[in-house]
Amino acid sequence: DAKTTQPPSMDCAEGRAANLPCNHSTISGNEYVYWYRQIHSQGPQYIIHGLKNNETNEMASLIITEDRKSSTLILPHATLRDTAVYYCIVRVEGGSNYKLTFGKGTLLTVNP
Amino acid sequence: DSGVTQTPKHLITATGQRVTLRCSPRSGDLSVYWYQQSLDQGLQFLIQYYNGEERAKGNILERFSAQQFPDLHSELNLSSLELGDSALYFCASSVGPGDSYNSPLHFGNGTRLTVT
Repeated sequence: DAKTTQPPSMDCAEGRAANLPCNHSTISGNEYVYWYRQIHSQGPQYIIHGLKNNETNEMASLIITEDRKSSTLILPHATLRDTAVYYCIVRVEGGSNYKLTFGKGTLLTVNP
Repeated sequence: DSGVTQTPKHLITATGQRVTLRCSPRSGDLSVYWYQQSLDQGLQFLIQYYNGEERAKGNILERFSAQQFPDLHSELNLSSLELGDSALYFCASSVGPGDSYNSPLHFGNGTRLTVT
């Protein structure tokens, strides 16, 4: 699976959009980009994933560049409860096994 | 609430002992995964079961073992415990064996194991 690079930490003001970048310059054509987050000491929570088109759900939007070498997770109106570590993961679909390799992620702190 | 239930929430035990962690997956999910999270290692994949059979293995020590039962709940057994085994142990579940991209993982809130 391709490696990802994320900034170790970011700050965001409550009510503003939080834009979390992820670099995955070695991504392969069949690898999807997944985002999970982990609020302190809780289990990771799935947010969104995509292959090459931009995706949106009730939690966030995922913008993937045309060359797929980077992506941005957007939380449109961050709240204090969005303070968490955000993990960007790329993985191959198909195949006989399934595991997610979590890196160090980005600690997003939403400030009042 | 992810629908994945882990018990117990906290466990304190001594070195050399053996413990069992339990996980009930979300209703309808056939795959169960175990992860370990310690302060210095981050989230580490241990093992996956699908419909009762071992599917994938990660960095699981020989002192650790797991199984998935016919009712799909899973247990992680940790034996000859060492201080370094102190960590959060998470269970996750998904619908399929991992072959479908529409099968994200849903995590429980973990068992915090402290070995003294």
